[in-house]
Amino acid sequence: GAVVSQHPSRVICKSGTSVKIECRSLDFQATTMFWYRQFPKQSLMLMATSNEGSKATYEQGVEKDKFLINHASLTLSTLTVTSAHPEDSSFYICSARSLVNSYEQYFGPGTRLTVT
Amino acid sequence: AQRVTQPEKLLSVFKGAPVELKCNYSYSGSPELFWYVQYSRQRLQLLLRHISRESIKGFTADLNKGETSFHLKKPFAQEEDSAMYYCALRTTSGSRLTFGEGTQLTVNP
Repeated sequence: GAVVSQHPSRVICKSGTSVKIECRSLDFQATTMFWYRQFPKQSLMLMATSNEGSKATYEQGVEKDKFLINHASLTLSTLTVTSAHPEDSSFYICSARSLVNSYEQYFGPGTRLTVT
Repeated sequence: AQRVTQPEKLLSVFKGAPVELKCNYSYSGSPELFWYVQYSRQRLQLLLRHISRESIKGFTADLNKGETSFHLKKPFAQEEDSAMYYCALRTTSGSRLTFGEGTQLTVNP
């Protein structure tokens, strides 16, 4: 089946630094990738939607200059959290929508970001 | 704007008992409805979608447009069904999923 990977699975960084999270679709091409944020025991909040080769569409209230998204190919999207603050600590999940089975979204395992 | 509501954050049943996880939505058009499941320490995965009208792991869900609901049901719960369940909606014109807040199901032995 279709698999989405994320790297790293967990990362700890200091305030003010930037951290990059990679999302890859391993065995399929993804027309669209999504980035979510999940707080403990809460639902997934969509941060942005990205299509390969074009600028990401950010949800209301999400700072695009802080959460940089690059979708350079049909199998790779990256989320860079710039100038990280402790309140950015969260679980970040990416999801990819298949070029073939466009109704289904496949989710990555998530990345736990802790900003100290 | 569309919205998905799961009124129960926690649901606990005994093994073998019927279980129903409630999901209501608000959307003026014709939505696509999904149920996703997240087992402990695992990623989110699709359980079923209303268009396919199938039963997965004994679970079924019927879209009731009159009541704007998409409740998930299983007649005999199993311990391995314990997980977090999310109802989600996608508009016919969009690609994004809108998730409910989730229901943590615990099936006790």
